Amino acid sequence: EDQVTQSPEALRLQEGESSSLNCSYTVSGLRGLFWYRQDPGKGPEFLFTLYSAGEEKEKERLKATLTKKESFLHITAPKPEDSATYLCAVQPSYNTDKLIFGTGTRLQVFP
Amino acid sequence: DAGVTQSPTHLIKTRGQQVTLRCSPKSGHDTVSWYQQALGQGPQFIFQYYEEEERQRGNFPDRFSGHQFPNYSSELNVNALLLGDSALYLCASSPSRLAGGPIQETQYFGPGTRLLVL
Repeated sequence: EDQVTQSPEALRLQEGESSSLNCSYTVSGLRGLFWYRQDPGKGPEFLFTLYSAGEEKEKERLKATLTKKESFLHITAPKPEDSATYLCAVQPSYNTDKLIFGTGTRLQVFP
Repeated sequence: DAGVTQSPTHLIKTRGQQVTLRCSPKSGHDTVSWYQQALGQGPQFIFQYYEEEERQRGNFPDRFSGHQFPNYSSELNVNALLLGDSALYLCASSPSRLAGGPIQETQYFGPGTRLLVL
């Protein structure tokens, strides 16, 4: 069964304290892996799409990487405004119409 | 450039009632997907509409139905509401796949409709 597991469930960081979020997946053929940011009560905001192992994408303090079994979202020198839930989703190659989401990592960055 | 819009923002219903949620896709997008997100969970795929037809459906009962209009906007209907239907309902839009070109998969989400069933 296709599955996405994110860890940790929650993460508390001091401002400037770098860390990584993990997304491990099991899917029958991966077409793409997506990272979204979600603020409380809002819809997910698109961050990155990764297609193949070894691929990396960067945006400001965020960097996403992909291997054959997992993806990491690295946060460098985070700021309080980076506080949000980060969602990982996979798109299976046999059905590119849907995204399969993990339950997210709730990140809190304190000044 | 307007993003994905949804209405209403919040809704309160009682068990057994019916509800209709609306979505307008991002400019240039013609494919609309609906997701249900329970509190503390990731979004779950309900179904996707393209060319006014339901293209794919997730593991949701027939009480959940939808429609897409010629202008690509979409509606989600839920009949015989249950307490467990309380959730954030998200609409996502994407461009259609281009024949002979790269597949455009990225789905862009709207702000959601918060449904509470009492």
